Amino acid sequence: NAGVTQTPKFQVLKTGQSMTLQCAQDMNHEYMSWYRQDPGMGLRLIHYSVGAGITDQGEVPNGYNVSRSTTEDFPLRLLSAAPSQTSVYFCASSYRGQGTYEQYFGPGTRLTVT
Amino acid sequence: KNEVEQSPQNLTAQEGEFITINCSYSVGISALHWLQQHPGGGIVSLFMLSSGKKKHGRLIATINIQEKHSSLHITASHPRDSAVYICAVRFLATASKLTFGTGTRLQVTL
Repeated sequence: NAGVTQTPKFQVLKTGQSMTLQCAQDMNHEYMSWYRQDPGMGLRLIHYSVGAGITDQGEVPNGYNVSRSTTEDFPLRLLSAAPSQTSVYFCASSYRGQGTYEQYFGPGTRLTVT
Repeated sequence: KNEVEQSPQNLTAQEGEFITINCSYSVGISALHWLQQHPGGGIVSLFMLSSGKKKHGRLIATINIQEKHSSLHITASHPRDSAVYICAVRFLATASKLTFGTGTRLQVTL
């Protein structure tokens, strides 16, 4: 199993540009999430999905869209990049086992918006 | 409000020292995770706890559900243990979501 994969690893955007961060998992996990990590703050939930076709907003959803057309893929779209979206983005997947959820993280995407 | 607090924020230790990182949370949980993140690296799950104690090599994690508190201990610390350690919990009301602490940055020197 490749686990949770993310592409790209690094990206620089200009303000106003759009792009999609890719996330895929090959473990057949039902739950997938996107987080952003900023200095001095804990990881914050952007969007999450409890299964194909179902998504919901997390703590900081503004400026981001997601879709979940398959179990494997959960792309995060930045519609019009802003400097405030400079961050490290982590995708994660989880499954419910033994009464709670095992969690797996992707390697992260470091995004800079100038 | 569902909150997770970690202490200390930063920790420097000499090789061989015993290290303790603390995590406290505000309301009932279904599970608590300890995560490790090396500089510039991804996030790795070390432990998932809902009660008691778990051990893996030199790492020990404990949780006291009544006191809403968990500790991560590292015995015989080594420079390769230098990383950020993150506590994350699943509150009972939102068990499919994780709430994260801000992390403890550990540096172990020779």
